[in-house]
Parts: sequence; C-alpha cells; structure tokens
Amino acid sequence: GNSVTQMEGPVTLSEEAFLTINCTYTATGYPSLFWYVQYPGEGLQLLLKATKADDKGSNKGFEATYRKETTSFHLEKGSVQVSDSAVYFCALSEKGFQKLVFGTGTRLLVSP
Amino acid sequence: DAGITQSPRHKVTETGTPVTLRCHQTENHRYMYWYRQDPGHGLRLIHYSYGVKDTDKGEVSDGYSVSRSKTEDFLLTLESATSSQTSVYFCAISEGGRGRPNYGYTFGSGTRLTVV
Repeated sequence: GNSVTQMEGPVTLSEEAFLTINCTYTATGYPSLFWYVQYPGEGLQLLLKATKADDKGSNKGFEATYRKETTSFHLEKGSVQVSDSAVYFCALSEKGFQKLVFGTGTRLLVSP
Repeated sequence: DAGITQSPRHKVTETGTPVTLRCHQTENHRYMYWYRQDPGHGLRLIHYSYGVKDTDKGEVSDGYSVSRSKTEDFLLTLESATSSQTSVYFCAISEGGRGRPNYGYTFGSGTRLTVV
C-alpha cells in the first residue's frame, strides 16, 4: 500500500539556520505530493504541493522537489524563523484519488 | 469566514456513552473526511464521504460511524466511547472528484475529545 516516511523529530535549529526535513514515499504509479504545517492548537494548512516528477513546490520560503528516482520530497528552507516552529507533515495521494496518506509528522523548534 | 467549522472544540465524556462530532462546510465541496491525530501516528483516516449519503471506511473505522444527509454537514459518531478514542479529531474537505487532480485538503481546527 501507499505510505510516507518522515524523519523523526524534533528538529531543533537556531534562527536563520538552514532547514531540511526528509520525506520518502512508497506508492503505485506517480502520486501527488504535499507538505502541510500545523501550528500549536490549530488544524493543518497546506504549505506546498507537487503533482509530477521534477516539479518544485514553493511557498513562504519553503521548497520541495518531487524526485521520482529517489521517491523523495524533502522540505527545505534557507533561513528559518522562530515563527516557523510547528509540526510538518508530508503526504501523498494517488493520481485520480482524493484520499491523502500522511506521514507521522516532524516537529520543528526554532530558537532565537 | 472559516469555510469549515468543527463542533464542539473540546469535549470530555464518560466511557460507554455515545458522542457525535459535527463538521460543517460552506465551500460546497464534494469530499469530506474525518481523521484522528495521535502522537507517533500522525493522521489516520477514520471515514470519508464522496457525496450526500455516500460514505466509506478508512483505516481506523472500528467503533465509529458517520452520516452525511446534506452536502455541508458530516457527522462522526462514537457509538460507545472508549478511552482508546481519546484523541484530536480533524475534519477536512476537498474539491475535485474521482479521476480529477487532488488539490489538497482544507482542515478544520479540530475537536479534542477526552474519554474518562
């Protein structure tokens, strides 16, 4: 079946550090890939997405590239801020299907 | 103007009692979902709906039932609550349909349910 694997957290960084959160997936065919962010006490918000190989999703300084050869969709940001502290979820959906499969989430803590 | 609202936001209930959580949307989206979020498990799909009166099970559906009598409302019922159902429950909506691209979900703010 389809699955998503994320790196264990928490990831602890100082402000302005470079961020990478790893995400790999297992799926039949070529799924759509997503990153969601959850701030404390809130629901998940769509951060970025990519629908085909080599696509790069980007939003608010975050980027992720759909790598078919390594089945990965790693999240990166060049300079994190304290306000980026949150839980980040990688997710996939099979083409033509609406259900999303989520990873377990990675907590990011950014200190001043 | 939230587009999707969940009620209640918090609930404490006793073991063995029935509980109903409500999800209401104003976006007229076809698909609606109920997930539960637990530490170490991420989000797990309980049930989903692809139209009025059309529902299907997710990966953790035991002990839960759903109903969708109107496009805008999707109800999740715990028929006899147990301590293992203590969790945060999220509703989500999506537009699109089978065979169409997945544009991603919009999530509600969640319901924190405690079963004592």
